[in-house]
Amino acid sequence: EVQLVESGGGLVQPGGSLRLSCAASGFSFSDSWMHWVRQAPGEGLVWVSRVKSDGSNSIYADSVKGRFSISRDNAKNTLYLQMNSLRADDTAVYYCGRAPPERGPDYWGQGTLVTVSS
Amino acid sequence: QAVLTQPSSLSASPGASVSLTCTLRSGISVGNYGIYWYQQKSGSPPHYLLRYKSDSDKQQGSGVPSRFSGSKDASANAGILLISGLQSDDEADYYCMTWHSDAWVFGGGTQLTVL
Repeated sequence: EVQLVESGGGLVQPGGSLRLSCAASGFSFSDSWMHWVRQAPGEGLVWVSRVKSDGSNSIYADSVKGRFSISRDNAKNTLYLQMNSLRADDTAVYYCGRAPPERGPDYWGQGTLVTVSS
Repeated sequence: QAVLTQPSSLSASPGASVSLTCTLRSGISVGNYGIYWYQQKSGSPPHYLLRYKSDSDKQQGSGVPSRFSGSKDASANAGILLISGLQSDDEADYYCMTWHSDAWVFGGGTQLTVL
């Protein structure tokens, strides 16, 4: 069974940093491309970032480019999202998703809430 | 103008069939794109339903019933999610998604109410 478990969310002040983790199990993590998407309270889904199976060629939404960094540790079956220079409009539930190469996500985690507020 | 546009809400009766549309921005042809559909129930993460590019290039999500199907309307430049035999449990938000200009893009979502 595919399982994705996000952690690391919480309350952070504007300008602060946070690192999210996504622990994966039940599938070949090292063969999968991985994504982060987010959902602000009461709003729709927004794609954030994607990394290929070997950690290369990371891509980002314009809204987070230069502030967020996606990475992965295939030995630990874990995906990360380093978030810097956080702003109030980064407040959202962050979901990690796994995808076959070249495809969109087909499984999602339960999400972790990030709140940016003073 | 957004890349993908969905009606904000839709309602239908149990047992009916309903088509949810995902319209591509003018100048972008739906024929060139694979359209993904996700269902999200209140308080839950998204759930992958299917991907549709053509009748020969499509994929159903694991365990997703066949009453959920995808298609395209080229004249409307839209991807379509058809739900037949509507059930009360289908009440949810539905999002389309596609790959465009080196990024994944979601539509704004359609809230489906089963009356």
